[in-house]
Amino acid sequence: ETGVTQTPRHLVMGMTNKKSLKCEQHLGHNAMYWYKQSAKKPLELMFVYNFKEQTENNSVPSRFSPECPNSSHLFLHLHTLQPEDSALYLCASSQGQGSIQSPLHFGNGTRLTVT
Amino acid sequence: GESVGLHLPTLSVQEGDNSIINCAYSNSASDYFIWYKQESGKGPQFIIDIRSNMDKRQGQRVTVLLNKTVKHLSLQIAATQPGDSAVYFCAEKSQAGTALIFGKGTTLSVSS
Repeated sequence: ETGVTQTPRHLVMGMTNKKSLKCEQHLGHNAMYWYKQSAKKPLELMFVYNFKEQTENNSVPSRFSPECPNSSHLFLHLHTLQPEDSALYLCASSQGQGSIQSPLHFGNGTRLTVT
Repeated sequence: GESVGLHLPTLSVQEGDNSIINCAYSNSASDYFIWYKQESGKGPQFIIDIRSNMDKRQGQRVTVLLNKTVKHLSLQIAATQPGDSAVYFCAEKSQAGTALIFGKGTTLSVSS
């Protein structure tokens, strides 16, 4: 148990579908992150939220829309994705940015396949 | 730009041997470094971290070494076990950076 729970674990969607990925952390952290992990590439930072405020959008296409209603929950809304968006999407949390440097704690990811 | 890389994409060792996984980073402003382990079907799992005011830190069976002069980071695993088989990532962050930047990973295979 990592303290960061992601659902669903697997998702297959068509290019015209709308779906959402959910992340919940039980660690009392104040920063949450979305990363994309593709085969043979380093983890790519997508979005950062610190105390519910988005502090980073790493040039992510608008077909990915994050939502952070509170410090414990993070969503990634997906709309009209492309096959190249197929990847493992990882959520992570950490102590709030601005505090002492601390590690990110990751969930087990959602394996997304776009058909 | 900022980047974190690893010297070898794969490493194969025998059970009981010591393993050394290397990582080079390019941002001299980075002051916090982490090693993660990722097993198949799971997310990255924190192993050990080190701040730039240190050059060595030890955990249970693992040691991280930091050489700021040549911007090199290594992870040493003592008495490697089959359960250590996984992909290992180094990551770095600077005070000004928003989040961790990851390298590509080294796949460690342990044979018994």
